Order: sequence, then C-alpha cells, then structure tokens
Amino acid sequence: NAGVMQNPRHLVRRRGQEARLRCSPMKGHSHVYWYRQLPEEGLKFMVYLQKENIIDESGMPKERFSAEFPKEGPSILRIQQVVRGDSAAYFCASSPGPHSQPYFGPGTRLTVT
Amino acid sequence: DAKTTQPPSMDCAEGRAANLPCNHSTISGNEYVYWYRQIHSQGPQYIIHGLKNNETNEMASLIITEDRKSSTLILPHATLRDTAVYYCIVRYRDDKIIFGKGTRLHILP
Repeated sequence: NAGVMQNPRHLVRRRGQEARLRCSPMKGHSHVYWYRQLPEEGLKFMVYLQKENIIDESGMPKERFSAEFPKEGPSILRIQQVVRGDSAAYFCASSPGPHSQPYFGPGTRLTVT
Repeated sequence: DAKTTQPPSMDCAEGRAANLPCNHSTISGNEYVYWYRQIHSQGPQYIIHGLKNNETNEMASLIITEDRKSSTLILPHATLRDTAVYYCIVRYRDDKIIFGKGTRLHILP
C-alpha cells in the first residue's frame, strides 16, 4: 500500500504567482489534513477536509489560501499571489476515518523568490 | 494550543532505552495520547497512541499513568536513526492533530 503522495516535492514561485500543491491520500483514506512548517518552526494545522467537504479550516489564512478535496483526484492546496512569507514546507496527512491516526506525506517545499 | 508539556531536548546513548516523558495534566476522559516524530525535515511519522492502557508495537511502548496525567514513550533500543523531534499530542477522538514543540532526542554513538 503506497503511502501519502505529495507533488511536487519542491516548488519555486516568484512573488505574485500561484502555487498549487497536490496530495494523494493513501488508498481507502477519505480524510485529508494540511499543515505548514515555516523554517525552524513547528507544524501548524491549516485545514481538515473530507471528500467534497471542508470540516475544519480554522488554521487557514483568511486570504489567498484555499483547499479542496474533490470526489475524484487529489486534494489541492492553492496559494494565490504568493509572498516570501509563504516559503515553507507543506505537509498533508490522510486517514481512513475521523477516529484513525493520520499518516503524513513527505511534504512540498515551497520557495518564493 | 498544545495540551502537553515535554522537555525541549534529551540525550540517549545508542543501544540504550530512550524514555521520553510527557505531561498532560488537563487530559479529559475521551482524549487519546498520540506520539509522532519528525526526522530532520521529513514528514511526521506516526509512532503509537493509547487511551488508558499501556500499548506496544514494533516501534515503541507507551506507558500511561493510572491517573492519565502523564505518559512515557519508550524506544527500547535506540539507534542513530531515532534522532528526531518527538511530539506528544492529546487528541479528542475525531479532532485534528495539534503539534507542540516536542522533544529533540539526540542519540549519542
């Protein structure tokens, strides 16, 4: 059983561009979580999604950030008009249900130049 | 906010058991204790979790005190590859995982 997949692993964007980060959960997992880790800092929760539903977006910045998990395909974290402060590692995790432990992917490292 | 308190760092000799403590004095009856670790800048790795009883798997053992106000993660034979930041997390049933600052464990050769 393949683990959580994230792509791209590294992404470079210029200020003002859009960044799209993809997360393919483990087979059979319908719950996805996104986290952000700024350089030398801890992991911060961003958003929790179930297929076609946002369950908890209490950690999402109010502007420029959005997330979706469609019925088919990967979950997408979208950052519009990126700024240098968005440079970070973005991790997603998946679980088969709300009571199960989430398993994390390897992360996408976003660099904004 | 994290509901746990962990020492910021610990050392352990290679081959010895690493015992990582965690205080969670405000834990409620329906909250589980979870442990994850992050090796360098990799994705966090699930280790183990428990509610009341002690738990053991191929990676580690989790010892939870009877009053559930503290717990200890035990890595029975630490290797250099166990060097990581270890996170103790209190999680209510179906809630999200919230990471604190963790304990940076150094395994000494």
